[in-house]
Amino acid sequence: EAQVTQNPRYLITVTGKKLTVTCSQNMNHEYMSWYRQDPGLGLRQIYYSMNVEVTDKGDVPEGYKVSRKEKRNFPLILESPSPNQTSLYFCASSFTRLAGGAGELFFGEGSRLTVL
Amino acid sequence: AQSVTQPDIHITVSEGASLELRCNYSYGATPYLFWYVQSPGQGLQLLLKYFSGDTLVQGIKGFEAEFKRSQSSFNLRKPSVHWSDAAEYFCAVVSNTGFQKLVFGTGTRLLVSP
Repeated sequence: EAQVTQNPRYLITVTGKKLTVTCSQNMNHEYMSWYRQDPGLGLRQIYYSMNVEVTDKGDVPEGYKVSRKEKRNFPLILESPSPNQTSLYFCASSFTRLAGGAGELFFGEGSRLTVL
Repeated sequence: AQSVTQPDIHITVSEGASLELRCNYSYGATPYLFWYVQSPGQGLQLLLKYFSGDTLVQGIKGFEAEFKRSQSSFNLRKPSVHWSDAAEYFCAVVSNTGFQKLVFGTGTRLLVSP
């Protein structure tokens, strides 16, 4: 089954304790990205990756890191989490460019993170 | 930069009644528009998308949306709502300033009453 898998789905942690949210897709997609969803703000892009070893910042990258060492994986790293990073996080992937209409984003089921 | 406005935070519809969710966008050129649905505890599922051609787009689960350039709108419709349609709905447009980025509206939560 084609899917984007995120882990963990739920996590409660404390300020400053490094954590990683993993994301894996089995569709051989080139493009992957991370979004965070906050009430009243919709979804906002954190980072994206065009291919292996190619990543760049989205709209809200502060406090996050990413890496793309393999095509299928795109982990999100919070080096020193803070309470304002409490949010619902989504990983997404697409096969082609979104612009032009051919592409669409496939989303994981989300990871709810609480930082105390 | 583009923006997407979904003016209704919550909408309650009776089961079997028709539904229209509003979406307005700001974008100079032809936009690439999407509607996603998020069921509780789930990720986002694509309902439909518009990028060119026929302005009335058919999607999954009986949904359709109409692109109206003159009104900068892309409203989502369904003729008869089912209880299983209760979810949060997001309108989005492909950004022209970011790479592979969707700009999302703030969402409309649909409640279905018996």
